Amino acid sequence: SQQGEEDPQALSIQEGENATMNCSYKTSINNLQWYRQNSGRGLVHLILIRSNEREKHSGRLRVTLDTSKKSSSLLITASRAADTASYFCATASYGNNRLAFGKGNQVVVIP
Amino acid sequence: ETGVTQTPRHLVMGMTNKKSLKCEQHLGHNAMYWYKQSAKKPLELMFVYNFKEQTENNSVPSRFSPECPNSSHLFLHLHTLQPEDSALYLCASSQVGQGDGYTFGSGTRLTVV
Repeated sequence: SQQGEEDPQALSIQEGENATMNCSYKTSINNLQWYRQNSGRGLVHLILIRSNEREKHSGRLRVTLDTSKKSSSLLITASRAADTASYFCATASYGNNRLAFGKGNQVVVIP
Repeated sequence: ETGVTQTPRHLVMGMTNKKSLKCEQHLGHNAMYWYKQSAKKPLELMFVYNFKEQTENNSVPSRFSPECPNSSHLFLHLHTLQPEDSALYLCASSQVGQGDGYTFGSGTRLTVV
């Protein structure tokens, strides 16, 4: 099964800076999703981008998708200490409702 | 509250014990999932239930036994577990056909001693 692979694995930034994470995948997808996980808790759905979309915004989040390169990026602008979490990308294929997750990016925002 | 409730939050069990994890969703979704999250590994899909029917068993050992009595409840029955089964077990739900994301519960942190 395909899996998203995030890059970089760990990111430490100052509050107010932007944080960018990348995700690559291997096969055709229906959509790609980004989730956040605070330490030891469940994942929270952030944003979904469909295979026919190239960019999507939600508040301080901006997601891009390049299906020719099989990659996506998540940008968090004007980061806050509360953005400290792990961020996962997940891909959904056509024909089933199964999500395949990457290993995640640990983001630490220093106040 | 996310709409998906998992109990218990923490569980410590011996290798010979039998226990069950419970998941309940209040969102009217028609699909539910069990995932296992171990340190430094991607989330591993264990089971998928669509409309109460199991549609996927991702080569999970038989010491894990799922049960879905209705579209709102999902259980994971555990017996004769190994220490390497210690992990965070996450339940999620979604609405098939809408192409939306999953809603996850807060998870059960399982420790096998």
